[in-house]
Amino acid sequence: GAGVSQTPSNKVTEKGKYVELRCDPISGHTALYWYRQSLGQGPEFLIYFQGTGAADDSGLPNDRFFAVRPEGSVSTLKIQRTERGDSAVYLCASSLSISVSRTDTQYFGPGTRLTVL
Amino acid sequence: AQSVSQHNHHVILSEAASLELGCNYSYGGTVNLFWYVQYPGQHLQLLLKYFSGDPLVKGIKGFEAEFIKSKFSFNLRKPSVQWSDTAEYFCAVSSTGGGNKLTFGTGTQLKVEL
Repeated sequence: GAGVSQTPSNKVTEKGKYVELRCDPISGHTALYWYRQSLGQGPEFLIYFQGTGAADDSGLPNDRFFAVRPEGSVSTLKIQRTERGDSAVYLCASSLSISVSRTDTQYFGPGTRLTVL
Repeated sequence: AQSVSQHNHHVILSEAASLELGCNYSYGGTVNLFWYVQYPGQHLQLLLKYFSGDPLVKGIKGFEAEFIKSKFSFNLRKPSVQWSDTAEYFCAVSSTGGGNKLTFGTGTQLKVEL
């Protein structure tokens, strides 16, 4: 079946601009996660949703970052006044629920590579 | 807060050599442990995970990992690597009661030479 998809695959923007990154989870997955992976690092948690609500946004670095999931499916990560330090690969993952279980797994998308010039 | 350390950043092996990648975590509570792999040009995908029970976990492609609670470790092993195992490997942890959010290590780049 279809996996997690993310668009765009690459985004180049200028410092100070606003960007939106989209994630389309696996159908039926109620949990959706955003991570950020900087060069040479592992993915770093940003926020996750259970349904439409953000269950934990403790990883968002500051108030320039915001994410929504209005209908409990597609999610958009929004970054205002982008800075060069925001350059990274933004990863989205989905799972059946946010409850940890033996059978459930987070499935990752291909990521969006954001470059802020 | 939990953290994960992967001490081997780059590993180069010849085909058929044995592999062990180290992973140590820091967290005082009950954890779930994962190894993810990212092959060149592909998504992150799950290799194996420890949830509870038998501390020796077997995953896909002949990989296994052993959870040693007293050492806070979850090392990944494979008795005989193949060229196709060339990839980046990430250890990750989630805490029971903390949702399913993952804390990753910095990754180990494995190169297998023919």
